[in-house]
Amino acid sequence: GAVVSQHPSWVICKSGTSVKIECRSLDFQATTMFWYRQFPKQSLMLMATSNEGSKATYEQGVEKDKFLINHASLTLSTLTVTSAHPEDSSFYICSARDPLAGGQNYEQYFGPGTRLTVT
Amino acid sequence: AQKVTQAQTEISVVEKEDVTLDCVYETRDTTYYLFWYKQPPSGELVFLIRRNSFDEQNEISGRYSWNFQKSTSSFNFTITASQVVDSAVYFCALFTSGTYKYIFGTGTRLKVLA
Repeated sequence: GAVVSQHPSWVICKSGTSVKIECRSLDFQATTMFWYRQFPKQSLMLMATSNEGSKATYEQGVEKDKFLINHASLTLSTLTVTSAHPEDSSFYICSARDPLAGGQNYEQYFGPGTRLTVT
Repeated sequence: AQKVTQAQTEISVVEKEDVTLDCVYETRDTTYYLFWYKQPPSGELVFLIRRNSFDEQNEISGRYSWNFQKSTSSFNFTITASQVVDSAVYFCALFTSGTYKYIFGTGTRLKVLA
């Protein structure tokens, strides 16, 4: 089955620093990847849609200059949280769409998530 | 507008009891997909089921069953003879052909007590 990995699984960083989270599709090529944020005891909220080779599309209210997304290859998308603050502490989950999954656009596979703590 | 409502924030049951988790959705699209995911304490989403808007057949998988009713825009999930390992947060999600995005409900935290 399709597998999506994330690295790191958890990270602690100091306020003001930047941290990069990787999302990889291991056994398929993902033209589109998605980044979600989940605060404690809350739902998953879509942050942005990342298309390989083009700029990401951010959801309303998400600061694109703070959350930099790069989708440089068909198997890797990265989310960089710049100048992190404690309020950025959250669980970040990526998903990847498999374009060859029978042409079904709903086929998305979720990564295991990255827990970010900003101190 | 697309929306998923899980009115039950938290449910506690005693092991072996049956429990139903409710999910109500809103969409104007005629083609859409509904999902249930389990999120254990580890955080990783576990896919449970997908149902498309043209298939209203109920489904049973072991102790799990799902009831999809378009007339009431509901896609409820029942766990029969619950077990402690079922304790998790359960999310209902909607994917529409119009947006190509997942919209998640707020989740229901299920606690199964031994």
